[in-house]
Amino acid sequence: GQNIDQPTEMTATEGAIVQINCTYQTSGFNGLFWYQQHAGEAPTFLSYNVLDGLEEKGRFSSFLSRSKGYSYLLLKELQMKDSASYLCAVRGYSTLTFGKGTMLLVSP
Amino acid sequence: EAGVVQSPRYKIIEKKQPVAFWCNPISGHNTLYWYRQNLGQGPELLIRYENEEAVDDSQLPKDRFSAERLKGVDSTLKIQPAELGDSAVYLCASITSGGSYNEQFFGPGTRLTVL
Repeated sequence: GQNIDQPTEMTATEGAIVQINCTYQTSGFNGLFWYQQHAGEAPTFLSYNVLDGLEEKGRFSSFLSRSKGYSYLLLKELQMKDSASYLCAVRGYSTLTFGKGTMLLVSP
Repeated sequence: EAGVVQSPRYKIIEKKQPVAFWCNPISGHNTLYWYRQNLGQGPELLIRYENEEAVDDSQLPKDRFSAERLKGVDSTLKIQPAELGDSAVYLCASITSGGSYNEQFFGPGTRLTVL
C-alpha cells in the first residue's frame, strides 16, 4: 500500500518563498507528482520526479530523495494566485495515490 | 485540443435516488480513471480502465457503484442508491498508455450533493 504525508495548511506572504514537504512509504515507486488545485477546480500538473534531485520549472521547483521517501515543492516569488491546495502523488505500478493536500494561503 | 469533459458539473439528489456521471477523455487517451474527492482530501481512485477493460476496480464499492466504458472511449459512473456519504466531487482523468512518464489530465469534476 501507499502512505503519503504532507502538512495540512501553510501560510506565506506575497513575494516570499515557501517549501511544501511530502513524505511517503510505498510498495512500489515509479515517480512522484505535484499537482495544484484551486478551490472548486480540477487538479493541474506541476511537476514530476522519478530520479533523485531537483527539477526546476520557472518559479516552481521539486526535489526528490528516493532513499528517504521524501519530496518537496518549492515556490518562489509567491503571488496571490498561488493560494491553492498542493497535492503530492506517488505512482506505484500503474496508479497514482494522492496525499490529502496542503492548503497554501498567500497573504499580501 | 479539448480537455477531459465531464457532465453534469453539479448534481443534487435525495438519498436512495440513482445518479450517473459521464466522462469523455482526451482523444486518443486509452487509460481512464474515476476518482472521488471528499472535502479537504486528495482524490481517491475508484476504477481504472485500459480501453474498455476495467483493470483496477478494487476500491469501487460494488454494492452500489458501477461503471462502464463500452467502446473504450467515454465512460459512465453510476451510483444506485445514493447515500449521504456519497456527497463528494467525482473526477475523471485520462492518460495515454505506455512510456515512462504519464501525466494525468483531469476533468472539471461533478460535485454531488446527497440530501
